Amino acid sequence: NAGVTQTPKFHILKIGQSMTLQCTQDMNHNYMYWYRQDPGMGLKLIYYSVGAGITDKGEVPNGYNVSRSTTEDFPLRLELAAPSQTSVYFCASSDRGTNEKLFFGSGTQLSVL
Amino acid sequence: DQQVKQNSPSLSVQEGRISILNCDYTNSMFDYFLWYKKYPAEGPTFLISISSIKDKNEDGRFTVFLNKSAKHLSLHIVPSQPGDSAVYFCAAGPYSYGKLTFGQGTILTVHP
Repeated sequence: NAGVTQTPKFHILKIGQSMTLQCTQDMNHNYMYWYRQDPGMGLKLIYYSVGAGITDKGEVPNGYNVSRSTTEDFPLRLELAAPSQTSVYFCASSDRGTNEKLFFGSGTQLSVL
Repeated sequence: DQQVKQNSPSLSVQEGRISILNCDYTNSMFDYFLWYKKYPAEGPTFLISISSIKDKNEDGRFTVFLNKSAKHLSLHIVPSQPGDSAVYFCAAGPYSYGKLTFGQGTILTVHP
């Protein structure tokens, strides 16, 4: 009964490095999302996908890239990491393309130093 | 421009009393509203939702009220329990799909 799985849970990245945050879901959901949460702030949508091969930008896409080659996986790529990308990243999925019941992973805490 | 605001960063209540968490929104296009609960080191989990055609939705100890004219929603927890201590996020969006806007969250602490 895994749901949405994110790896890694924690990571420290140096400025200018790149990395990929992994997200996979086993609920056969078409819709997947990446959010970031900064201290004292709400979750902000980075990118989302409505199905394999289809992605679109959210509110704060700059500095990130995504791909969706399968229904299950939705990795988030950080290129040329900057301190402003220090945040907690949450991947989520949903069924039926509605806002109802986003299922979230447990998050990746990323520090860029 | 913060379209969804939770103006109380924290709330402390006694076990057994009512907890009331508030949320205001500005976007008239929002017609679906949700509350999520988040424990430390976990992702948010869905708690309760309401669509704009209703003004109240109940689920056990949790009730969400929507005042469309005031663009205000609230979450009532009665009676509050220590296990309810968590961060509560309200979220809003169009019913179509996916692009929810979240508030900043309110830290609820329920004291035994």
